[in-house]
Amino acid sequence: AQKVTQAQTEISVVEKEDVTLDCVYETRDTTYYLFWYKQPPSGELVFLIRRNSFDEQNEISGRYSWNFQKSTSSFNFTITASQVVDSAVYFCALSESTNTGNQFYFGTGTSLTVIP
Amino acid sequence: DVKVTQSSRYLVKRTGEKVFLECVQDMDHENMFWYRQDPGLGLRLIYFSYDVKMKEKGDIPEGYSVSREKKERFSLILESASTNQTSMYLCASSTGTGSYEQYFGPGTRLTVT
Repeated sequence: AQKVTQAQTEISVVEKEDVTLDCVYETRDTTYYLFWYKQPPSGELVFLIRRNSFDEQNEISGRYSWNFQKSTSSFNFTITASQVVDSAVYFCALSESTNTGNQFYFGTGTSLTVIP
Repeated sequence: DVKVTQSSRYLVKRTGEKVFLECVQDMDHENMFWYRQDPGLGLRLIYFSYDVKMKEKGDIPEGYSVSREKKERFSLILESASTNQTSMYLCASSTGTGSYEQYFGPGTRLTVT
């Protein structure tokens, strides 16, 4: 079973529109971590945010905001007033504890295109 | 800034060749990872290492092996390359025993013909 589901494969928006990228995760751990990464056309994944399972406060960083809801096992990412430079593939990831440490599980990614 | 470098951005190899992909990180990170990225499948973990000379299988280790002789270097080895190993390979590193974010290299796009 997929531990991290990003149901939106591709999204296109017009510049300055808001867009929300969905992420649903599955875990039995009480302690876990969630992440968002951005992969621009250059290819290198860039870390955006990490949240632990005990901190459900929403976070805002400039035009980016994240909505963590344990009740629905979701960690959604919103870009406000999108720009062409936001065009990228975005990955959501989950980290769980295992016997040998922490293992990461990535979603399949959402490709965002911002049209000028 | 954390720097993760990979030996090649693009690589073309023939079926049956032994292929080495090298990854080096300069931040003294304990943990290193190898993923492959394929369209529609996201990132899949091949192998990871939490210490020198230590390795653990990820989700898709078949056809691959790894080597970590020094803390800063983590090598991925394709013992006998096959066409289904054509992919983008991403190396990552992270610090600590907790669940810290991973830092990624630029990737190696491997084509096996």
